Amino acid sequence: QSVLTQPPSASGTPGQRVTISCSGSSSNIGSNSVYWYQQLPAAAPKLLISRSNQRPSGVPDRFSGSKSGTSASLAISGLRSEDEADYYCATWDGSFSGPWVFGGGTKLTVL
Amino acid sequence: QLQLQESGPGLVKPSETLSLTCSVSGGSITSSSYYWGWVRQPPGKGLEWIGTIYYTVNTNYNPSLRGRGTISVDTSKNQISLKLSSVTAADTAVYYCRLHVSLLENAFDIWGQGTVVTVSS
Repeated sequence: QSVLTQPPSASGTPGQRVTISCSGSSSNIGSNSVYWYQQLPAAAPKLLISRSNQRPSGVPDRFSGSKSGTSASLAISGLRSEDEADYYCATWDGSFSGPWVFGGGTKLTVL
Repeated sequence: QLQLQESGPGLVKPSETLSLTCSVSGGSITSSSYYWGWVRQPPGKGLEWIGTIYYTVNTNYNPSLRGRGTISVDTSKNQISLKLSSVTAADTAVYYCRLHVSLLENAFDIWGQGTVVTVSS
């Protein structure tokens, strides 16, 4: 059972906009920035969104993040086949530099 | 740009200690903005945070490890290490070395490619 709750699966057709939710509590998402990772098959996770809504260099602007209260969302617009992957949210539980927690992951399928 | 490379034995016997090394190239591993850590992923499962070391000596570990984990930094070798004692089959996973960089203007991660560890007799 993960500290952060994500739907196990999501799907969309090419060109569509999909969102993935991440629910936590006041001690984690409610108090800290949220990070989103994309993990392609047999690859290391790649940071997509940092500090809840910032895109690291090289991440397409099709990916966006938001946070409200104890929940966060990752939105992917203009869905592409190469977006099919596992997506994880993460943040600290408690203070910055404290325990780091991940969501259980969402498998995104592009139909 | 820093690059991370994990290394260690691919096979460890139950009850023994797993030792992994993360070798860093492309720059120094010491910075007040750097948070070094390890993350693992059991087969077919999600990501699990193992622990973090920052300011070279401060550490935090996942409580689920029940005190079995130790992360340290060797600045002379530009390496971060992980030791996990009394391993069981549940410790079988891909182990990733991760650097989280927290700057005033932004934050980002650098990950190693991961190393597979199997616990079996």
